[in-house]
Amino acid sequence: EIVMTQSPATLSVSPGEGVTLSCRASQSVSTNLAWYQHQPGQAPRLLIYGASTRATGIPARFSGSGSGTEFTLTISSLQSEDFAVYYCQQYDIWYTFGQGTKLEIK
Amino acid sequence: QVQLRESGPGLVKPSETLSLTCTVSGGSVSTNYWSWIRQPPGKDLEWIGYIHYRGGANYSPSLKSRVTISVDTSKNQFFLRLRSVTAADTARYYCAREVFGYFDSWGQGALVTVSS
Repeated sequence: EIVMTQSPATLSVSPGEGVTLSCRASQSVSTNLAWYQHQPGQAPRLLIYGASTRATGIPARFSGSGSGTEFTLTISSLQSEDFAVYYCQQYDIWYTFGQGTKLEIK
Repeated sequence: QVQLRESGPGLVKPSETLSLTCTVSGGSVSTNYWSWIRQPPGKDLEWIGYIHYRGGANYSPSLKSRVTISVDTSKNQFFLRLRSVTAADTARYYCAREVFGYFDSWGQGALVTVSS
């Protein structure tokens, strides 16, 4: 099984600041990597697929990069609605998720 | 815009069968692949399996012996059955639409507790 490891577990950031979240795969997943945003009580929301392609309706302040085993999600100029838990997911061999990074207001 | 909604009992007794329904609106279960994903309290998201109305189902190796996913195209629904549950199966269960490996639409999830 491909293990996905996200870091950090929690990030405290002020609104308006930018942030970069990391996701590492235990073996290469090429660019078969997606990012999701999850607000409590809501459905998870697809942000990025193919490591760097924004999903429909996702603001340009969200960007993804990486390939192989190292990936990042960058959010520029955080808005209040961006404080949530973010998950990465590989779909190269079956499907596995990272443990999530919680973005909280500083 | 496709919407998914999970429904089913919130409490299941140990050794019994967990059954959930996902109702799809704004889209058809006769296209794409449709998955079940769960998240136990404090733990990672775990893919359970998927169904395609024409291509059958595929399951996570760790759950394969206990899981059945099926679909009813006339009702635009798909289903999860998980047999012989234990407390370790307590989780929020999500249904989702898969597109080329990633999940572009999810339900809000249904919390299922396994307890006597």
